[in-house]
Amino acid sequence: DAGITQSPRHKVTETGTPVTLRCHQTENHRYMYWYRQDPGHGLRLIHYSYGVKDTDKGEVSDGYSVSRSKTEDFLLTLESATSSQTSVYFCAISDPAGTAIYEQYFGPGTRLTVT
Amino acid sequence: EDQVTQSPEALRLQEGESSSLNCSYTVSGLRGLFWYRQDPGKGPEFLFTLYSAGEEKEKERLKATLTKKESFLHITAPKPEDSATYLCAVQGGFQKLVFGTGTRLLVSP
Repeated sequence: DAGITQSPRHKVTETGTPVTLRCHQTENHRYMYWYRQDPGHGLRLIHYSYGVKDTDKGEVSDGYSVSRSKTEDFLLTLESATSSQTSVYFCAISDPAGTAIYEQYFGPGTRLTVT
Repeated sequence: EDQVTQSPEALRLQEGESSSLNCSYTVSGLRGLFWYRQDPGKGPEFLFTLYSAGEEKEKERLKATLTKKESFLHITAPKPEDSATYLCAVQGGFQKLVFGTGTRLLVSP
């Protein structure tokens, strides 16, 4: 199994508060991703990183920011949580190895509830 | 815009009853098609990558095939432990995957 951990695993927070989710990998993979998974929508990309301090937006990036100061850590911040951000959040990692075709390996997920 | 549609949404099989799951896709320049398995409360688990039409890959009771418009995940003589949600994804644009909404498979003993 890919060495990916997410913290916290569960969190309940109130509308308007900032929230930070952490993804930590021990695989030294170059690429890291944040997805959210909601019924009827499948997995949707929020942001991704292709190296330390190198990040880009995904499909549903509004209201989210990310930071990657070390290869092993990728943080997702909800600047002011809203009820529409209640979801399950997954971190994923990958390493192209020069092929530009690659698999993504997923963490165990964080269930976030915004009340 | 890249799109992935999976069918059926849910499938109920008896143990030993073989069947197939479908993944139809539209993508500009397919770089890879991926199958994942997801158990309740867990992250997706990688199964297969298919790169070009005609390619097939197998793992235990699962076989994935690929054409220019769709992929099939064939399940031969399934067991209850094969019960899960199976996700399909395509890679078109650089470093980004587009996922379908999945097929929930339930295998009864």
